[in-house]
Amino acid sequence: DAGVTQSPTHLIKTRGQQVTLRCSPKSGHDTVSWYQQALGQGPQFIFQYYEEEERQRGNFPDRFSGHQFPNYSSELNVNALLLGDSALYLCASSLGQFSGNTIYFGEGSWLTVV
Amino acid sequence: GQQLNQSPQSMFIQEGEDVSMNCTSSSIFNTWLWYKQDPGEGPVLLIALYKAGELTSNGRLTAQFGITRKDSFLNISASIPSDVGIYFCAGHPSGTYKYIFGTGTRLKVLA
Repeated sequence: DAGVTQSPTHLIKTRGQQVTLRCSPKSGHDTVSWYQQALGQGPQFIFQYYEEEERQRGNFPDRFSGHQFPNYSSELNVNALLLGDSALYLCASSLGQFSGNTIYFGEGSWLTVV
Repeated sequence: GQQLNQSPQSMFIQEGEDVSMNCTSSSIFNTWLWYKQDPGEGPVLLIALYKAGELTSNGRLTAQFGITRKDSFLNISASIPSDVGIYFCAGHPSGTYKYIFGTGTRLKVLA
C-alpha cells in the first residue's frame, strides 16, 4: 500500500526564485492538503484540493498556488521566494468529500531560501 | 498562524514511566488527531478520535476526546527509548477542511 510520496526531499533556492513541490497521495485517496511547518512549530494549513479544485485556503499570500491533476496528485508552487518561506512543506492526503477525515502525511520537502 | 496549546512543552522521563500530555482549544472541534514526528521526517498518525468522550488505544498509547470537545489527552504507558520525538495534536473545526495543530510536546526518554 503506497503511502504519501513527495518530491524533492530537499532543495535550496535563492530569494525571488520560484519553486514547485510535488505530491502523490496515499493509494485510494482523492484529497490533498498542503501544510507549511517552520522550525520548532506545528504544521500550518496552506490549502486543500479536491476534484481538481482548491476548496479552502489558509492564511497564505497569493504567491502560494497549487494544482491537482486528474490522477489526484498535486503540486504546490511558490513564487517570489522570501527567506521566511524556508520550511518543511508537508503534503497530506485523505479520502472523500467530507471534512474532518483523517489525514496522512508524506515525509515532506525541505525548502531552504538563501 | 493559529496553533493549539499543548502541555507540557517538553519533558524528560525515565524509561518505563508513564507519560501524559494534553491539548486545549478555545474552540470546539469535531475530530482530534495525534501524531508523532521524528527529526527530519513527516508526522506519523498515532490515533484518531471522532466523538466527544471517545477513548481509543493503539498499543501502549491511549487518547481521549474531551467531553467539552475543546481538549484531548494522550497517554503513553511504560515508555521506551524509541518514544523520543515530538508529539502533535490536531483539531478539526466544524465547517472547515483544515486541521489546526498544537505547538508540540517534545519527549525525551532517559534509558
